[in-house]
Amino acid sequence: DAGVTQSPTHLIKTRGQQVTLRCSPISGHKSVSWYQQVLGQGPQFIFQYYEKEERGRGNFPDRFSARQFPNYSSELNVNALLLGDSALYLCASSLGQGAYEQYFGPGTRLTVT
Amino acid sequence: ELKVEQNPLFLSMQEGKNYTIYCNYSTTSDRLYWYRQDPGKSLESLFVLLSNGAVKQEGRLMASLDTKARLSTLHITAAVHDLSATYFCAVDRDSNYQLIWGAGTKLIIKP
Repeated sequence: DAGVTQSPTHLIKTRGQQVTLRCSPISGHKSVSWYQQVLGQGPQFIFQYYEKEERGRGNFPDRFSARQFPNYSSELNVNALLLGDSALYLCASSLGQGAYEQYFGPGTRLTVT
Repeated sequence: ELKVEQNPLFLSMQEGKNYTIYCNYSTTSDRLYWYRQDPGKSLESLFVLLSNGAVKQEGRLMASLDTKARLSTLHITAAVHDLSATYFCAVDRDSNYQLIWGAGTKLIIKP
């Protein structure tokens, strides 16, 4: 079975631009969470979606938004990019409904110049 | 606010030695996770601990949970070079997949 997939793998953007990151969960998983990991730090929770509804949001500005589609894939959007947004963005999927395992994708490395 | 603290943040050790990584968290929580991350890679799940007194072992790694002390430990037995990585603990307070993470422990095992 395919694991969690994310695209693109890497991208470079300029300050002020907008970016969209994509995530496809494991087949059958209905919950998707997004995390930001700055180099040398632990991940920070950004969003969690379950059954296409936002169920949680971390301490991130409104420039960050996300959505989940009917096929449970998800997009993370970041507007007005800042240098500090440079990080590894990780997507994790879970079955939901009491399951506790979270499976992480390979991540998208975003560099803002 | 839930906080998760790991120590040490950096650990260099020789092969064959034993050591323990500690993870403290500030409020009661439902689930405690341990993950491994190799440089430039994503996160690999090692253990999920769900209840007080839970102990799980895989190879040279053993994790335990004391919910009363709000403490989890990851014990490494007879370390080998392949265990060199950064180890994270994370807490899911409300069983909602919104994990709060420690800063990580970078483990270097010298052959």
